[in-house]
Amino acid sequence: RKEVEQDPGPFNVPEGATVAFNCTYSNSASQSFFWYRQDCRKEPKLLMSVYSSGNEDGRFTAQLNRASQYISLLIRDSKLSDSATYLCVVTSDSWGKLQFGAGTQVVVTP
Amino acid sequence: DGGITQSPKYLFRKEGQNVTLSCEQNLNHDAMYWYRQDPGQGLRLIYYSQIVNDFQKGDIAEGYSVSREKKESFPLTVTSAQKNPTAFYLCATGTGGSTEAFFGQGTRLTVV
Repeated sequence: RKEVEQDPGPFNVPEGATVAFNCTYSNSASQSFFWYRQDCRKEPKLLMSVYSSGNEDGRFTAQLNRASQYISLLIRDSKLSDSATYLCVVTSDSWGKLQFGAGTQVVVTP
Repeated sequence: DGGITQSPKYLFRKEGQNVTLSCEQNLNHDAMYWYRQDPGQGLRLIYYSQIVNDFQKGDIAEGYSVSREKKESFPLTVTSAQKNPTAFYLCATGTGGSTEAFFGQGTRLTVV
């Protein structure tokens, strides 16, 4: 079983709609959680960290459910520019070796 | 400019040749990482280093080698033993601990 699993999508979303997707992780000792965004043929860039209490950054909301071992990302009022692959990232050791999911593709359509 | 510089951006090599990918950073980060990404797949860790003169194998180290002689530099050599080297290679740095990583722009290696 992979350490970090994501629905690959694509999630086809009309502009202005809301989309949400999850990521599950297998290591219950995982310590830190992040969402990265990756555009086609580019490097991943940090979108947001995920905190235990949940956190929001503009139109983006991230949640962590430790009991069920998943994190989620919700995008409200989707923009065309939100089209990308969203990577779930988990660290599971003291110095922070990052484990990446394969990514969820989001396509926002006019 | 502050950041992570990977070079070259595109690299073509003949099968059987070793090739070295450069990664330089001026962020003063202790941790450096090399990842490989294949089309439609996530990033897989090749090697990582927490400190100068020390590095550890990641999940797919076979056919690769690294060195960490300076804090700023973490070059990756793709050897002829790597069976399928064509991929997108990403270097990342971080402060260690449970913190995020920052990526260079990547090197696309094509072996023909």
